[in-house]
Amino acid sequence: KAGVTQTPRYLIKTRGQQVTLSCSPISGHRSVSWYQQTPGQGLQFLFEYFSETQRNKGNFPGRFSGRQFSNSRSEMNVSTLELGDSALYLCASSLTRTSGGAAETQYFGPGTRLLVL
Amino acid sequence: QKEVEQNSGPLSVPEGAIASLNCTYSDRGSQSFFWYRQYSGKSPELIMFIYSNGDKEDGRFTAQLNKASQYVSLLIRDSQPSDSATYLCAVNQADNNAGNMLTFGGGTRLMVKP
Repeated sequence: KAGVTQTPRYLIKTRGQQVTLSCSPISGHRSVSWYQQTPGQGLQFLFEYFSETQRNKGNFPGRFSGRQFSNSRSEMNVSTLELGDSALYLCASSLTRTSGGAAETQYFGPGTRLLVL
Repeated sequence: QKEVEQNSGPLSVPEGAIASLNCTYSDRGSQSFFWYRQYSGKSPELIMFIYSNGDKEDGRFTAQLNKASQYVSLLIRDSQPSDSATYLCAVNQADNNAGNMLTFGGGTRLMVKP
């Protein structure tokens, strides 16, 4: 099975711009989560999508948003980019058989490295 | 604020020794615990998950969970230089364990010396 794929792998933007990152989960996986990793803050949870609905949300400002499509692919968008948004953005997918099922193991994609100048 | 704490290291062990990595968490209601390994410049790779108190073994790896004391540990037996990486402890913090919302510790850097 192919793993989680993320595009693009690298991105350079300037302050004030917006960016859209894409994630394709492992085939059959229905939950997609997004994380931000920075040297200072480590790995932080952004949000999780399941069945095209946001199921869990971390403590990030509203500039960070996401969505999930019917084929489970997900996108996240960051508007009005700030220098501090420079980070590795990781997507992770898990099977999640039922809507209220217990947490299942998540598998991470290679990430998108975003640099904001 | 639900927290997950790890010693940042580096933890240095000789090749062939047992490496012991520890993690504590603040939310007593947490039910799902994960260990990931991350090589420099790469994404996290799942090593093990554990849900129940006690030990869980998988090859050279043993995860230990003690919910009463709120700690999780990972033992790596017969450590190899290829085990040198940052080890991340993660705890699912989703309310009622519904879905995935992992809180990660800061990671422990392990160095295995030949």
